[in-house]
Amino acid sequence: GAVVSQHPSRVICKSGTSVKIECRSLDFQATTMFWYRQFPKQSLMLMATSNEGSKATYEQGVEKDKFLINHASLTLSTLTVTSAHPEDSSFYICSASSAGVMVGGYTFGSGTRLTVV
Amino acid sequence: QKEVEQDPGPLSVPEGAIVSLNCTYSNSAFQYFMWYRQYSRKGPELLMYTYSSGNKEDGRFTAQVDKSSKYISLFIRDSQPSDSATYLCAMSEGGNNRLAFGKGNQVVVIP
Repeated sequence: GAVVSQHPSRVICKSGTSVKIECRSLDFQATTMFWYRQFPKQSLMLMATSNEGSKATYEQGVEKDKFLINHASLTLSTLTVTSAHPEDSSFYICSASSAGVMVGGYTFGSGTRLTVV
Repeated sequence: QKEVEQDPGPLSVPEGAIVSLNCTYSNSAFQYFMWYRQYSRKGPELLMYTYSSGNKEDGRFTAQVDKSSKYISLFIRDSQPSDSATYLCAMSEGGNNRLAFGKGNQVVVIP
């Protein structure tokens, strides 16, 4: 149990276009989802926290108008990178939390490698 | 001072050796402590989860928490080449609060 599916696993897009990444909890309801960014050989950097049905809370320095997060249901959260630029190229990972459902409380998706050319 | 400190230096060990990893933290409110393993270009997977001081063992893995010293450790016994990965410590205050991660240690187990 406690599986999080993240899609797509890899995406290449042209500079200036937008990219949507989906994160789904397959067998549980995720009250809270987290979005992280990871640069090569670096740790996970939390970008934002989203609770179902409310606006996401962004970490300091993360542009909310650039990284749009939608958490419209208890099983789906999306991250849209708008007007992507090469510096947005990174590994994006989502995590779902449902306190009391699973040991450890957090399950991660498999990540999305975004390359902006 | 960062919330979680983990010396990110790579670690190479021969197969069968004991791997020892550790993290320190500054936030006394952290109650839950986790170790994640991350293979290249994959999401982290939970290895160990503890919420109290002391030792927790799961197969070849032992997690140790010392809340008084704000220090956690992970030991891998009889290391295998398949253990080669990046190991990240993480902790939270509980509930649906965010995780704070260490920088991660890249471990290479040499056959």
